Amino acid sequence: DVKVTQSSRYLVKRTGEKVFLECVQDMDHENMFWYRQDPGLGLRLIYFSYDVKMKEKGDIPEGYSVSREKKERFSLILESASTNQTSMYLCASSLFLTEGGGYTFGSGTRLTVV
Amino acid sequence: SQQGEEDPQALSIQEGENATMNCSYKTSINNLQWYRQNSGRGLVHLILIRSNEREKHSGRLRVTLDTSKKSSSLLITASRAADTASYFCATGSNNRLAFGKGNQVVVIP
Repeated sequence: DVKVTQSSRYLVKRTGEKVFLECVQDMDHENMFWYRQDPGLGLRLIYFSYDVKMKEKGDIPEGYSVSREKKERFSLILESASTNQTSMYLCASSLFLTEGGGYTFGSGTRLTVV
Repeated sequence: SQQGEEDPQALSIQEGENATMNCSYKTSINNLQWYRQNSGRGLVHLILIRSNEREKHSGRLRVTLDTSKKSSSLLITASRAADTASYFCATGSNNRLAFGKGNQVVVIP
């Protein structure tokens, strides 16, 4: 069964900490994405990557960075966590950017910054 | 940027009834997709309809697309309690997928 795995289901971090959210996919997909999901705002794209070491900003990249050293792994980094980054973070991967098929999502990481 | 906007935002129906959700969007698209999210979990892809298609079926799901009105509808026939979830439309354009805010559907057994 193909899968996108996010390393943590729940995380609690302190303001100012550096936070790493890890995502691994086993489908050999070129494209990987990080979204955050907030009540009333839906899913918003933070960053995406269409190849190893390649990244593009999404709609809300401020306060975040990403790393894609290997095809199967896409990491989201909060350089200095703030309370307004408390959210559900969803990783996804896909064979195509928008055409040809849907995205496969991980189960999500619910991050609380205190 | 946010593209799809689902309507109604919340829907409560009896098991066996049909559920219909609508989605509107603002710019031109390559395709429109529908996803389901069970409480606290990731999204699951349900169906994709291309901009040159008008209707598509998958099991109990029927999706329509009207590009002149920039709108789509998702029909779930003969609903089951397991269909209780949030449903999102997503529009594909400019190499990214933009999601709507979601539509909560509750199916009462």
